[in-house]
Amino acid sequence: DIQMTQSPSSLSASVGDRVTITCRASQGIRNDLGWYQQKPGKAPKRLIYAASSLQSGVPSRFSGSGSGTEFTLTISSLQPEDFATYYCLQHNSYPITFGPGTKVDIK
Amino acid sequence: EVQLVESGGGLVQPGGSLRLSCAASGFTFSSYDMHWVRQATGKGLEWVSAIGTAGDTYYPGSVKGRFTISRENAKNSLYLQMNSLRAGDTAVYYCARAHVGYYTWYFDLWGRGTLVTVSS
Repeated sequence: DIQMTQSPSSLSASVGDRVTITCRASQGIRNDLGWYQQKPGKAPKRLIYAASSLQSGVPSRFSGSGSGTEFTLTISSLQPEDFATYYCLQHNSYPITFGPGTKVDIK
Repeated sequence: EVQLVESGGGLVQPGGSLRLSCAASGFTFSSYDMHWVRQATGKGLEWVSAIGTAGDTYYPGSVKGRFTISRENAKNSLYLQMNSLRAGDTAVYYCARAHVGYYTWYFDLWGRGTLVTVSS
């Protein structure tokens, strides 16, 4: 099974900050990775697919990069509505696996 | 309206069984791969199972042999039969639709979830 790790597990940031979250896969997964945002009590929302493609309707301050085993999600200028937990997800092979999540909260 | 609505959650004793349902509406259900994803309170997301349009099924080791995913396209419904339930299966269970394209794959529609509590 492919294991996914994320760092950091949590971070505190201010509105306007640039935030970077890293996701690593235990083996190469090409670009078969997505990023999801989840707020408390809500279902996850898709942000990025194929490692770097922005989902329709998602603000351009979100971006993704990487391939193989290392991936990043960047929020260029953190907005109040971006405080949430972020998960990476690999779909290269079954079982599909999520990263453990990164909680972004207000500094 | 395009939506997924889960039902069937509740309290069950360890070792017991429960069947979850997910009612799909507003889209051609038979054309999509469907998944179950769960989340224990305060914990991360865990993928639980998938069923393809041809009926092929997939599970992680944590539920393989205990859970069975199935679909009934005529009723636009997805199911998850859960047997030999353990305390560790306690979670909100989400039904999710997968968008699968040549270069694209992602969960593009989620239900609100149904809570399963395994406790004596």
